[in-house]
Amino acid sequence: DTVPTQSPLSLSVTPGEPASISCRSSQSLLHANGYNYLHWYLVKPGQSPQLLIYLGSYRASGVPDRFSGGGSGSDFTLRISRVEAEDVGVYYCMQNLHSPTTFGQGTKLDIK
Amino acid sequence: EVQLVQSGTEVKKPGESLKISCTGSGYSFVTSWLGWVRLKPGKGLEWMGNMYPGNSDNRYSPSFEGQVTFSSDKATNTAYLQWSSLKASDTAIYYCARLNADFAHYEFDFWGQGTLVTVSS
Repeated sequence: DTVPTQSPLSLSVTPGEPASISCRSSQSLLHANGYNYLHWYLVKPGQSPQLLIYLGSYRASGVPDRFSGGGSGSDFTLRISRVEAEDVGVYYCMQNLHSPTTFGQGTKLDIK
Repeated sequence: EVQLVQSGTEVKKPGESLKISCTGSGYSFVTSWLGWVRLKPGKGLEWMGNMYPGNSDNRYSPSFEGQVTFSSDKATNTAYLQWSSLKASDTAIYYCARLNADFAHYEFDFWGQGTLVTVSS
């Protein structure tokens, strides 16, 4: 299976400071169509997962522009330009270019 | 507005059967893929599989093949996840999620609120 590896697994950030999470894959997630099949989700405490970034770098509808995704192939990063209190939760990357679909282990973000 | 509404919390004993549901609205339920994802206490998200209600095409993760069954009722836009014999290790929150497969997309864009399943003797 192609299981993405996230780092760090936990992050404690002061409000207003930036944060970044890495997601690395053992195989390229770049399809022949030019899109990377790597997506980012946030699970806030007591809530369902919400889509933040799809196809590596496209922000989902309603997601604040302080969130951005980058990378290609097998190396991706989720960046939060200025962390806010409402950003706490567990962040997951998910790949679905290779079957089976797999999620990273998750990165827990809390506020200092 | 796309919505996925899941059935409520379940408390079951080991060996019992269970069927939970996910009802979609605000989009073409029958012609969209739907995924099932598990979140176990203290663990991460796990993909269980995808289903296509239009023709009952089910794609199971190897980790869940033979352990669960997907089904759907096109008349009520409802998908089901069922177990024939629950184990304590099935205790988790189960989510359904729409798979956006338009053009080059292939992401879970809308999620149900989750169904908590507790299996305990």
